[in-house]
Amino acid sequence: EVQLLESGGGLVQPGGSLRLSCAASGFTFSSYVMSWVRQAPGEGLEWVSSITGGGGSTFYADSVKGRFTISRDNSRNTLYLQMNSLRDDDTAVYYCAKDLGLPGDYWGQGMLVTVSS
Amino acid sequence: DIQMTQSPSSLSASVGDRVTITCRASQGISNYLAWFQQKPGKAPKSLIYAASSLQSGVPSKFSGSASGTDFTLTISSLQPEDFATYYCQQYNTYPRTFGQGTKLEIK
Repeated sequence: EVQLLESGGGLVQPGGSLRLSCAASGFTFSSYVMSWVRQAPGEGLEWVSSITGGGGSTFYADSVKGRFTISRDNSRNTLYLQMNSLRDDDTAVYYCAKDLGLPGDYWGQGMLVTVSS
Repeated sequence: DIQMTQSPSSLSASVGDRVTITCRASQGISNYLAWFQQKPGKAPKSLIYAASSLQSGVPSKFSGSASGTDFTLTISSLQPEDFATYYCQQYNTYPRTFGQGTKLEIK
């Protein structure tokens, strides 16, 4: 059974940093593109970033480029999102997702990140 | 970036109705289009990939179609559990982009 378990969310001040983790199980982690998608309170879905299976290619939304870094540790079956220079408008539920939009795609349960002073 | 324009933004329907939601891409995306269902407080659930293929376990009451840059999600015989918000998403190119969502409410 596929499982994606996010951790690392919480309250952070503007300008601060946070690292999100997504622990994967139930599939061959290194074979799949992994993504982060977020949803601000009361708003729609926004794709944030994706990383290829081997980690060699990464992609970012303009809204986070230069501030967020996606990475993965295939030996630990874990996806990461390092978030720096956080702003109020980064407040959202963050989801990790396997193979976004493709056959067999799967989402984690989501994790709230609140940026506030 | 490819813009995905979804319509309507909200829709009222009754149990047993058939409804259609439309998503238009700002440029060609072949059939690289997915549909998701989201209920309040829950993660999105994938319904359809490649514009018209059902994800495993998704009932056949959900169907998708494509015509050029226009895509439709049709839900037949609405049941109470189908009332949710639906999103389209293109995965032809990066950045991936979602439609703004369609909230399906009970009339």
